[in-house]
Amino acid sequence: DAGVIQSSRHEVTEMGQEVTLRCKPISGHNSLFWYRQTMMRGLELLIYFNNNVPIDDSGMPEDRFSAKMPNASFSTLKIQPSEPRDSAVYFCASSLYGNTEAFFGQGTRLTVV
Amino acid sequence: SQQGEEDPQALSIQEGENATMNCSYKTSINNLQWYRQNSGRGLVHLILIRSNEREKHSGRLRVTLDTSKKSSSLLITASRAADTASYFCATDAGGSNYKLTFGKGTLLTVNP
Repeated sequence: DAGVIQSSRHEVTEMGQEVTLRCKPISGHNSLFWYRQTMMRGLELLIYFNNNVPIDDSGMPEDRFSAKMPNASFSTLKIQPSEPRDSAVYFCASSLYGNTEAFFGQGTRLTVV
Repeated sequence: SQQGEEDPQALSIQEGENATMNCSYKTSINNLQWYRQNSGRGLVHLILIRSNEREKHSGRLRVTLDTSKKSSSLLITASRAADTASYFCATDAGGSNYKLTFGKGTLLTVNP
């Protein structure tokens, strides 16, 4: 298996534009996590899916953020409209079951200018 | 909000020395995990310890868990320059809440 795949390593967008980050979890894993990492706030859990269903989205900072998991092999995190303070590294991770070992993608460094 | 908090924030040692990092958490857990992150990369799982375990070993890694104090420690013995990385503890929220949250990490620098 190729591991968790995030569609891009870097994204640059202008303030106010929509940006969509994409993730392919490891086949057979039933849990998927989206995290945001910054120097100031560390690694924040944004949302957690189990069997494609959002279980906990309490970490989603505001309504500008939304996440979907239409099937077991694909998830998106969308920011609309984007703001400079959204600049961070966004990680997707999957695990076989909830709180077992999580496998991380390489992360997408988002820069909003 | 973070469930776990690592201590110290940064640690610098010489190659061959042991490195100890600590993690404290707030609520009951099912298990606690330690991860490593090299600069610019994703996190890599190191070891998982269940709430009914007190100590676990994996190679040069030793993890302890004290659920009464809600704390864990990660010991890396005979450190190498290649161990230079950030180390994070991660916990679930206990019960059937399996969301995995991380502390802010300890930056370990091993000087050759």
